[in-house]
Amino acid sequence: AQSVAQPEDQVNVAEGNPLTVKCTYSVSGNPYLFWYVQYPNRGLQFLLKYITGDNLVKGSYGFEAEFNKSQTSFHLKKPSALVSDSALYFCAVRDADSSYKLIFGSGTRLLVRP
Amino acid sequence: NAGVTQTPKFRILKIGQSMTLQCTQDMNHNYMYWYRQDPGMGLKLIYYSVGAGITDKGEVPNGYNVSRSTTEDFPLRLELAAPSQTSVYFCASSDVGAYGYTFGSGTRLTVV
Repeated sequence: AQSVAQPEDQVNVAEGNPLTVKCTYSVSGNPYLFWYVQYPNRGLQFLLKYITGDNLVKGSYGFEAEFNKSQTSFHLKKPSALVSDSALYFCAVRDADSSYKLIFGSGTRLLVRP
Repeated sequence: NAGVTQTPKFRILKIGQSMTLQCTQDMNHNYMYWYRQDPGMGLKLIYYSVGAGITDKGEVPNGYNVSRSTTEDFPLRLELAAPSQTSVYFCASSDVGAYGYTFGSGTRLTVV
């Protein structure tokens, strides 16, 4: 069965420091991976996706994610965190059995302190 | 371009009442979804639709019903509301291939 794990409920980082939000996946076949962000009282917004090609994917708001097939990981990164990056982040993988459905992780709350 | 529109934004229901959460998209997407979000639990799929007239159950369909009479609309019906249905509900849509969802802003439902 396909699954996505986000091992950290919360990540704390100081403004200006690099940040990493971790995601590992389990899927049969080639993975289609996504990151979404949720700001307070808002819906989820698409950040970036990996379908194929370069293992380093660049997305919105300066975020990027690194796909690592051997470690089955898709960690979200940003070189320099902003206080405004504080939000809830979700990793998702396309369901291999139903290509139009996504399976979401449990979410990681990112807190960037000034 | 409105994207995915959900109404209402907030609602308080009494146990046993029923209501319909509305969802409309203007992107001509074939696929539509209803999720519920509980604290620390991520998103759970309630129902989904691959096109007008076609719906199917997700992970947690009990206590809910849906219909898809048009491409644009995908309402979620709660019958006999229960406290366990207190949650934030998100509607989403996507084009072919699930290359990404567009989410609505959510409906926060409290059942008391």
